Amino acid sequence: GNSVTQMEGPVTLSEEAFLTINCTYTATGYPSLFWYVQYPGEGLQLLLKATKADDKGSNKGFEATYRKETTSFHLEKGSVQVSDSAVYFCALSDRGTGNQFYFGTGTSLTVIP
Amino acid sequence: ETGVTQSPTHLIKTRGQQVTLRCSSQSGHNTVSWYQQALGQGPQFIFQYYREEENGRGNFPPRFSGLQFPNYSSELNVNALELDDSALYLCASSFDRGLETQYFGPGTRLLVL
Repeated sequence: GNSVTQMEGPVTLSEEAFLTINCTYTATGYPSLFWYVQYPGEGLQLLLKATKADDKGSNKGFEATYRKETTSFHLEKGSVQVSDSAVYFCALSDRGTGNQFYFGTGTSLTVIP
Repeated sequence: ETGVTQSPTHLIKTRGQQVTLRCSSQSGHNTVSWYQQALGQGPQFIFQYYREEENGRGNFPPRFSGLQFPNYSSELNVNALELDDSALYLCASSFDRGLETQYFGPGTRLLVL
């Protein structure tokens, strides 16, 4: 079946530190991969996506590359800011196995000044 | 352009009762997906409605049911509420069953006592 596994949090970093949040997936078809962000008190927002192997999604300084060989989609940012404090969710959709969407459990990030 | 709205924002019910949650999709969208997000977990896909028909369902029992209306707004109904149904219920709207570009509402927080 389809599933997403994220690194457990919470993660606490100092401002300007490098961020990596690991995400691996299992899929029976050809999934599209996503990172969503949930800021405190706000709804889920799409951060970036990649629809095929070797694609790189990027937005707001965040990047993730769709690696089919390692079934991974790790989120990275070179220099985090306090405003990046949020919960980050890795997700996949796989139309080949029915129209469904699968989220990971989320990783809470706190950036301290 | 109006975003995705949900009502009510909060709700308290007792075990065994029934609940109806509502979602208005973003202007121009004809697809609504519903998710359950338990505390500290990622959202889980319940089902999707496209042009008033169910189009894809996650691993939820039949007491979770839905409707979509001609104006593409949607309802989620849960019968025989259980304590474990306590969660944030999210709806997301998109166009033509797409899951790759979906916009989430702020959610309805349901507490079952």
